[in-house]
Amino acid sequence: AQKITQTQPGMFVQEKEAVTLDCTYDTSDQSYGLFWYKQPSSGEMIFLIYQGSYDEQNATEGRYSLNFQKARKSANLVISASQLGDSAMYFCAMRGTSGGGADGLTFGKGTHLIIQP
Amino acid sequence: NAGVMQNPRHLVRRRGQEARLRCSPVKGHSHVYWYRQLPEEGLKFMVYLQKENIIDESGMPKERFSAEFPKEGPSILRIQQVVRGDSAAYFCASSPPLADRRFYNEQFFGPGTRLTVL
Repeated sequence: AQKITQTQPGMFVQEKEAVTLDCTYDTSDQSYGLFWYKQPSSGEMIFLIYQGSYDEQNATEGRYSLNFQKARKSANLVISASQLGDSAMYFCAMRGTSGGGADGLTFGKGTHLIIQP
Repeated sequence: NAGVMQNPRHLVRRRGQEARLRCSPVKGHSHVYWYRQLPEEGLKFMVYLQKENIIDESGMPKERFSAEFPKEGPSILRIQQVVRGDSAAYFCASSPPLADRRFYNEQFFGPGTRLTVL
């Protein structure tokens, strides 16, 4: 079964600083996908970034990048130049092929990020 | 270009009543997923459906919960005889056909339905 671990329940960061949100995963699959979602206080789930297990380069999307270390089974999200609007819950997720359905995602418990002015 | 639509956004039920949650996927998407988010938790996969078929329901509670995705109309998640522990946010996501995806598990999430059981 897949498992996602996010060890930071909450983080406070000064505006304009870079932020790293930790995510480790466990899977026996050779092929898998890793995702990060943002959930603001309004509740919707906003897709941020995706990394395939066979992608050779770390994924980047604007201010978001994914620090993928396959041997360590980690997929940390890096937000550069944080903004007040980045305050939200952040969830790491992966594609499950067992215990989560062939296409269902397995989510971590999330990190509550608060950006301070 | 409408995204995934869910209604109602908020639903209040008394214990023992039925809850019906609706999900209209993005136009052209034939794959639908339902997830449940308990307070202070991440989302948990419940069921994966394609038109008229349940593909994987490994995350569905064995009793009182059912889901369908008919040929016409929205996908429905039905909870019979609700209990307080069913209070949660229920999210629907949809995916385009495989050939149209940017990556294998691309899913578009709806805004969720917040169910409160009194």
